Amino acid sequence: DGGITQSPKYLFRKEGQNVTLSCEQNLNHDAMYWYRQDPGQGLRLIYYSQIVNDFQKGDIAEGYSVSREKKESFPLTVTSAQKNPTAFYLCASSIGVYMNTEAFFGQGTRLTVV
Amino acid sequence: GNSVTQMEGPVTLSEEAFLTINCTYTATGYPSLFWYVQYPGEGLQLLLKATKADDKGSNKGFEATYRKETTSFHLEKGSVQVSDSAVYFCALSNNAGNMLTFGGGTRLMVKP
Repeated sequence: DGGITQSPKYLFRKEGQNVTLSCEQNLNHDAMYWYRQDPGQGLRLIYYSQIVNDFQKGDIAEGYSVSREKKESFPLTVTSAQKNPTAFYLCASSIGVYMNTEAFFGQGTRLTVV
Repeated sequence: GNSVTQMEGPVTLSEEAFLTINCTYTATGYPSLFWYVQYPGEGLQLLLKATKADDKGSNKGFEATYRKETTSFHLEKGSVQVSDSAVYFCALSNNAGNMLTFGGGTRLMVKP
């Protein structure tokens, strides 16, 4: 079945450590996105990518980094510079960034800093 | 740019009650409109969509009609169940240079 897979589902990180969240899609979508969701809040865009080897900052990119070396993969690194990283992270993909189409979401990764 | 405004929650209803969650939007061009649902601890799932004015999207007893004259896409269900308890997000996308845009989400709590 086609879809988006995020791993791991739960992740614990010590303060000062970098951690990478995985996102893989087999929908042949060009566009991929990372969102952050805090308890009781909506979605905030961290980074997005329209095509391989290209990505753009979203609204809250500070303290995060991404790469897009393959069409299927868009990993997110939460660096030690991110001051409050504990949150629920959602990866999504769509046919294109600026098209009249919906996005498909993964199941999310809950990151907790301990 | 685009924007989506939803009614603030939580919305608390008894089982079998009628549900309305309001959603209004501003957008350039002719956007497509979506409702997503998020169950606790999970990602967002597409619930329904409408791609042009007067279209009605429907799924699992939920429906919403794309009203261009009032720039609205209100979500309705005639009889909610406890299993409908979730957070609902209204969203739009268009091809006029703007990205997929989400509302802030509305939490629905259905009590038996």
